[in-house]
Amino acid sequence: ETGVTQTPRHLVMGMTNKKSLKCEQHLGHNAMYWYKQSAKKPLELMFVYNFKEQTENNSVPSRFSPECPNSSHLFLHLHTLQPEDSALYLCASSHPTSGTNTGELFFGEGSRLTVL
Amino acid sequence: SQQGEEDPQALSIQEGENATMNCSYKTSINNLQWYRQNSGRGLVHLILIRSNEREKHSGRLRVTLDTSKKSSSLLITASRAADTASYFCATDAGGNNRLAFGKGNQVVVIP
Repeated sequence: ETGVTQTPRHLVMGMTNKKSLKCEQHLGHNAMYWYKQSAKKPLELMFVYNFKEQTENNSVPSRFSPECPNSSHLFLHLHTLQPEDSALYLCASSHPTSGTNTGELFFGEGSRLTVL
Repeated sequence: SQQGEEDPQALSIQEGENATMNCSYKTSINNLQWYRQNSGRGLVHLILIRSNEREKHSGRLRVTLDTSKKSSSLLITASRAADTASYFCATDAGGNNRLAFGKGNQVVVIP
């Protein structure tokens, strides 16, 4: 148990569906992240939030829409996805950057998304 | 963005043997981190080494960092079946909560 909880663990959706992934952390962190993990590819950073403000959008298509209502919760809203968006979506949290160093990330177990 | 690149990609060893993985990167870094991922699970942080450190130990793990060669190695001593996992290096090149991950090393420890 890492203190970062993701739901649902598995999601199957059609290309016209709208769904959301949820992440909650109980670690008192102020930075939260979405990463995408596809087979045979490195983890891709999608979004970063610091103190509820989005500080990174790594050229992610608009069909992925993040929301961070408070420092403990992070959502990823999904709409009109493509089959190539099927992947493991990982949420992580950390303390904000200290000086010039990014510290340890605490990951959730991931949400396995399949787009039909 | 910068990425770590692990080498070798897949490693199969007998229980009790040592496992060594390497990671190379392209630009200057603030720190380098190693993570482990069991199949279908999230990543777990193992160790962080700062750019001014050359070696660090944590239990059966030993990490080295050579900034002149832009490379790092992770050594797992006396491996156990439970060490079977994928291992990733991640580099922090400029703070801002941005870590760039490599593709990962798959390690299989045979009992």
